Amino acid sequence: AQKITQTQPGMFVQEKEAVTLDCTYDTSDQSYGLFWYKQPSSGEMIFLIYQGSYDEQNATEGRYSLNFQKARKSANLVISASQLGDSAMYFCAMSLGSGGSNYKLTFGKGTLLTVNP
Amino acid sequence: DTGVSQNPRHKITKRGQNVTFRCDPISEHNRLYWYRQTLGQGPEFLTYFQNEAQLEKSRLLSDRFSAERPKGSFSTLEIQRTEQGDSAMYLCASSFGSYNSPLHFGNGTRLTVT
Repeated sequence: AQKITQTQPGMFVQEKEAVTLDCTYDTSDQSYGLFWYKQPSSGEMIFLIYQGSYDEQNATEGRYSLNFQKARKSANLVISASQLGDSAMYFCAMSLGSGGSNYKLTFGKGTLLTVNP
Repeated sequence: DTGVSQNPRHKITKRGQNVTFRCDPISEHNRLYWYRQTLGQGPEFLTYFQNEAQLEKSRLLSDRFSAERPKGSFSTLEIQRTEQGDSAMYLCASSFGSYNSPLHFGNGTRLTVT
């Protein structure tokens, strides 16, 4: 069975600094996808970034980048130039299937990020 | 793209009552998912549909839970004889179902069973 581990219950960062949120995963499948979602206090889950298991380059989306280390089974999210609006819960998630087809996402417990002014 | 819509946003019910939630997915999406999220936890998969077919149900979905997606459009999630342990946020999501297509979530329905 697949498993996602997020070991940081909470993280603090100063505005305009970069922060790394950790995520490790466990699966015996060769094909999988890794996702990061942001959940502000309003409750909506907002998709941030995706990395496929066969993608050779690390994914980037604006200020978000995914540090994908396949051998270590880690998929850390890096947020550059933090903004106050980045304060939220962040979830790492994984899907299994051919090409990482995304159904039945398995989520970690999340990391609460607080950006200080 | 008007986003995934869920109704109601909040529902308070007494133990033993039945409740029904509705989800309207993004119209072009053929896959629809239900998740449950309790305080301090990540969302847990409940079930998903491809068009009108319910393709998988989690063990979390007891016999008191039933989900439908008639005509492959909106979906309903019904909980019969609610229990206090059913109190949670119920999230609906939809996607294209391609391998790198992310799930788009609604704002959720928060259920409180008293």
